[in-house]
Formats: sequence, C-alpha cells, structure tokens
Amino acid sequence: NAGVTQTPKFQVLKTGQSMTLQCAQDMNHNSMYWYRQDPGMGLRLIYYSASEGTTDKGEVPNGYNVSRLNKREFSLRLESAAPSQTSVYFCASRNRDRGSGNNEKLFFGSGTQLSVL
Amino acid sequence: KNQVEQSPQSLIILEGKNCTLQCNYTVSPFSNLRWYKQDTGRGPVSLTIMTFSENTKSNGRYTATLDADTKQSSLHITASQLSDSASYICVVIGNTGGFKTIFGAGTRLFVKA
Repeated sequence: NAGVTQTPKFQVLKTGQSMTLQCAQDMNHNSMYWYRQDPGMGLRLIYYSASEGTTDKGEVPNGYNVSRLNKREFSLRLESAAPSQTSVYFCASRNRDRGSGNNEKLFFGSGTQLSVL
Repeated sequence: KNQVEQSPQSLIILEGKNCTLQCNYTVSPFSNLRWYKQDTGRGPVSLTIMTFSENTKSNGRYTATLDADTKQSSLHITASQLSDSASYICVVIGNTGGFKTIFGAGTRLFVKA
C-alpha cells in the first residue's frame, strides 16, 4: 500500500502559467481533500470531495479547480498561477464515518512545494 | 480569528528530556481532537485522537490530555529522541451544522544530541 501519492514533489511556475497537481490513494477511501500549508498558519482547505462524483469548495477555493476523476484520483488545477499561490500543497484522504462524527483520521501525501515567480 | 492556538511556536530540548506542547481551542460544539506529527518534507501523520469523554490517552512515549471544560489539550513527550524532531499539529473537529476540521499552526520541536 503506497497510501496517498502526490506528483510532482516540486514545481516552479511563472505568473499566469497553469498546471495540475495529481493525487491518488489506494486505500479505497471515500473522501479526498486538497490543503495548502503556509508558514505560521494551519493547513487550509482548498477543495474536497466527499465521495466519487462530488466536489465542494473549502475555505480558500479562489484560483483553483478540482476534478474527482474516479474513487482513487483527485486533481487540483491552477488555471493562471499567481505569486500568492506559492505554498506547499497536500492531498489527503479518509474513510468518511457518518456515524461517529468524522472520527476517521486523515492520511496525507508528501506534499508539492510550489513556487510562483 | 484562529480557533486553534498552539504554544510554543518552537521548542529546543536535549535528547532524553521531556516536553509538553499546548493546544487551546475555541471551536464549539466540539467533536474530537487529534494530534498529528509532521516530519520535514512529509505530510502529517496522526498520533492520537481525543473524544469529548476522554481525559488522557497514550501512544508509546506520547501522552495526550484533554480538558473539554477549559478547551485545552496537551501533548507530552517522554524521554525525547532525535527522531521526535518535527512539527506537532493540533487538529480540532467541530460540529457546527456540518463537521469542520480546523488545524493549528503547529509547534516546531527540535531535539538536540
């Protein structure tokens, strides 16, 4: 079991360029998430997918789009990168437990360090 | 407004010493609280979960406590090892008409030989 796999690990973009961050999980989890981590701040939710076929905005969705391609894969797209999107991006997944108040833990990928110049 | 505050921001200790990390939260209603460990260049990994009715839970050399009345949690690390050097993140799940996961900014722990 690889867990949650993210690619690429590092990326440098120029302002206005576009790119897609890929994420795949092999744990048969229903829910998948994209977070960004900035210095001195807690992880912030960009978008999530509670189940295959659904996506919803999180706390900071502006400038991003997502696709839940199938149960395994959840991609994050930056259509026109801006310097404010320089951050470390984490994909996560978990098995949503409807009966116990979201007690299920999140499993994270290793992150993508993105710099926008 | 930060709903999960962690202290200290960073901490340096000598190998073999104990330390305690603090987490104060204002999230209400409260569902559960987790502590995650994040090694440099890696994603966070869950250490332990505390639900409303639990006061103390141990996971090896890690012991988490929760006081739901004062909305405080702590993570105590005993007999620290070099491999404990990492960020420790407090995560609170609130139930505010839908479950919401709120992350603290973390405490960066450095264990020196």
